[in-house]
Amino acid sequence: KQEVTQIPAALSVPEGENLVLNCSFTDSAIYNLQWFRQDPGKGLTSLLLIQSSQREQTSGRLNASLDKSSGRSTLYIAASQPGDSATYLCAVDNAGKSTFGDGTTLTVKP
Amino acid sequence: GAVVSQHPSWVICKSGTSVKIECRSLDFQATTMFWYRQFPKQSLMLMATSNEGSKATYEQGVEKDKFLINHASLTLSTLTVTSAHPEDSSFYICSASSPLAIQETQYFGPGTRLLVL
Repeated sequence: KQEVTQIPAALSVPEGENLVLNCSFTDSAIYNLQWFRQDPGKGLTSLLLIQSSQREQTSGRLNASLDKSSGRSTLYIAASQPGDSATYLCAVDNAGKSTFGDGTTLTVKP
Repeated sequence: GAVVSQHPSWVICKSGTSVKIECRSLDFQATTMFWYRQFPKQSLMLMATSNEGSKATYEQGVEKDKFLINHASLTLSTLTVTSAHPEDSSFYICSASSPLAIQETQYFGPGTRLLVL
């Protein structure tokens, strides 16, 4: 059974800092991995999708990497802004079923 | 492309009533749809997998008679919470995948927030 762990559970940084969120998974036979953002009381916003054959994806200030063999993914946020404050979830897809981590709640202080 | 919508976005109902939530793939045909549930301050948990034209497969611990899932067409799946109780209050999210997508990538809907009074 796939298990997904996200570290840290919460993170508070001053505006402008670069930061890294971590996601680890136990079963490396994945189809893909997605990073999502969830604002309080809101739905999921897909940020980046990395297929199993890829090693990284970039979108603006976000960069996600995937190391399937070690069961790890990182989400790098450059030059953080208060608007980046949210919960970030990673989801690992095995044969069409997604398993979510518990998320990292990020607070970026002005 | 690959947009999934949900309706309603949020609903408040009285205990004992039934609530239907729709999940639609707007620009692709989804042979498989998934329903997830998220309790406050917890992550999403898969409830069931539905394939068009067949019965849904429920995850362990999910009552199939309480959470009725219908996937009658390639673009629509519905989740009906029957005789809803306050403990059913949650955030329900669906996702849809297509065999034409790379490794059947899942595309997620925006979610439906249910509050049972």
